[in-house]
Amino acid sequence: AQKITQTQPGMFVQEKEAVTLDCTYDTSDQSYGLFWYKQPSSGEMIFLIYQGSYDEQNATEGRYSLNFQKARKSANLVISASQLGDSAMYFCAMRVDPSGTYKYIFGTGTRLKVLA
Amino acid sequence: DAGVTQSPTHLIKTRGQQVTLRCSPKSGHDTVSWYQQALGQGPQFIFQYYEEEERQRGNFPDRFSGHQFPNYSSELNVNALLLGDSALYLCASSLRLTRTDTQYFGPGTRLTVL
Repeated sequence: AQKITQTQPGMFVQEKEAVTLDCTYDTSDQSYGLFWYKQPSSGEMIFLIYQGSYDEQNATEGRYSLNFQKARKSANLVISASQLGDSAMYFCAMRVDPSGTYKYIFGTGTRLKVLA
Repeated sequence: DAGVTQSPTHLIKTRGQQVTLRCSPKSGHDTVSWYQQALGQGPQFIFQYYEEEERQRGNFPDRFSGHQFPNYSSELNVNALLLGDSALYLCASSLRLTRTDTQYFGPGTRLTVL
């Protein structure tokens, strides 16, 4: 079964420190994409970073990096130098490609609280 | 550059009624997906529209239907509303045939069914 698992319901991090949010995935597809989204209390989902299954290097976008370990089927998000504005829900998502069309699966999310 | 827009922002309906939610994709995008997000949960994929056709569907009953117009905007219709349909409904757009097919989300419509 295709599934995204986020095992950390909530995380705390001190301002200016780094934090890792865990994500494991399950799919038998060879081609897939992995995404991280941020959802502030306002509700809008904000795209952070993307990793393709064939990408050899870990993706980075500013303070965000994705630690992609294909053999372990994990795609952890690392936020460096946390800021108060990083407090939000974070969702890991996977894009699979059944029958030539895309389908997206989201995890249950991790609530991050950055402490001053 | 206009992002994804959704209307209305909030909606209150009673059981058994029907509702229509609307979405305009980000400029340049041609694909629209709809998601249901219950309180405290991750988004659940409802369906995706491309070239005015439903291309992929999640595990939602036929009470959930949609449409995509020639200008790529989309509607989500829900018939015979149930209390359990109360949720945030998110629309996401993307440009098909790009390497990442990254989806960009709108602010959502919060539906309350009484």
